[in-house]
This record gives sequence, C-alpha cells and structure tokens, in this order.
Amino acid sequence: LAKTTQPISMDSYEGQEVNITCSHNNIATNDYITWYQQFPSQGPRFIIQGYKTKVTNEVASLFIPADRKSSTLSLPRVSLSDTAVYYCLVGEQQAGTALIFGKGTTLSVSS
Amino acid sequence: GAVVSQHPSRVICKSGTSVKIECRSLDFQATTMFWYRQFPKQSLMLMATSNEGSKATYEQGVEKDKFLINHASLTLSTLTVTSAHPEDSSFYICSARHLLGGKTEAFFGQGTRLTVV
Repeated sequence: LAKTTQPISMDSYEGQEVNITCSHNNIATNDYITWYQQFPSQGPRFIIQGYKTKVTNEVASLFIPADRKSSTLSLPRVSLSDTAVYYCLVGEQQAGTALIFGKGTTLSVSS
Repeated sequence: GAVVSQHPSRVICKSGTSVKIECRSLDFQATTMFWYRQFPKQSLMLMATSNEGSKATYEQGVEKDKFLINHASLTLSTLTVTSAHPEDSSFYICSARHLLGGKTEAFFGQGTRLTVV
C-alpha cells in the first residue's frame, strides 16, 4: 500500500478556502485516492475519491496532477463545522482490502 | 447510501469482564468487515479483517484470543473483548467496503467508546 504524507495540522478562518495536500510518491497504477473526514468520537466519513485530474462534488474538490504522486483536497468557504481530521488514503478498489490510515490532518476553523 | 451501524455506542465495564460490540451493514451485504481501534489523538489502527464464514485475519500484535471476532452472516460481525483491562479502553470502529456509484467506498460505524474500570 502506498504511504501517504500530510501536514499534521492546519488552521483557517470561516469563509476561507482550505487546501490540504497529500503526498503519495509510491502510488500504484490501480490505486485510487480517497479522502475521509472524522469528527471526534465518530467513525470516518467519505468525502471524495479520484484517480486522476479533477473531481468535484457538493462538498469538496480533489486535484490530482498527471504524475499522481500527490493530491490536494480543496474545501471551499469552510465553516466552524468543518473542524475535523482529514485523512488521505491510497489503495485499490477492492471490497476485501482494508484501508490503512495515516496520521491525518487536523483542520481547525475559527470565527 | 450504504449504512454501517455499530452497537453499543459506549460501554463501561469492569476489569476482567467481556464486552461484545456488534457491527451491521444495514442495506448491503458485506463478505468482509474490518475492525479498527483508535486511541485519543491518534489515527485509526487496523486490528483485524473479519471474513464471513471463516476465521478472521489479525494484524501483527493483536491477540486473537483476546479480541474474538465472529462474522456469522453477510450483515453482522461482532468483536468481543475478553477479560478486558483498563489498557483496552479505546474507541473501536468497524467498517465495510461497498461498491456504490462505480467506486468502492468504505463505510464506517459510529464507533464504540469502551471504558474499562
């Protein structure tokens, strides 16, 4: 499984755009990039997934350069409720394969 | 979307007793489920992979006789912490992956906060 590296923490203010970058230099051809969000005392929640280029959904965008060795999660106009830990994971689309979590990025949003 | 439900959400037990945690996939079948443990301020650590109809696969350092896993049906996996000790106090989370909208997403239970006193 490809190892990922993210910043340990980030601070932001309400209304700002937040970009969290994840490095995954050893990503394999069949690997997808997925981001999860976790609030305290809750299980992680799926945010977005991509393979290459750009993916956008109702909550975030995911930018993946051509070499796929990194990815950037973009959260537009964050609010206090976006304060959470964000995990970048890389792996195959196999239901029988466990997700291995790195340390994640703790995002703190202030007013 | 798919839902994974975990019960109980929190439990307090005395040292030496056993605690059972249930994990159910509510609207999909899960041949495989995963159990994680999370200590305060730390990331999720994979404990074991639960396989329906066969033995669970445990990660290195996880005692299979202490953390009993049973995956009796395609929608239910249970984790039993036997002879619990205070150091077993942690946040336990189950997960199952499901093909949804052309991609394989992982769905997580709400987690179980275990406190051993």
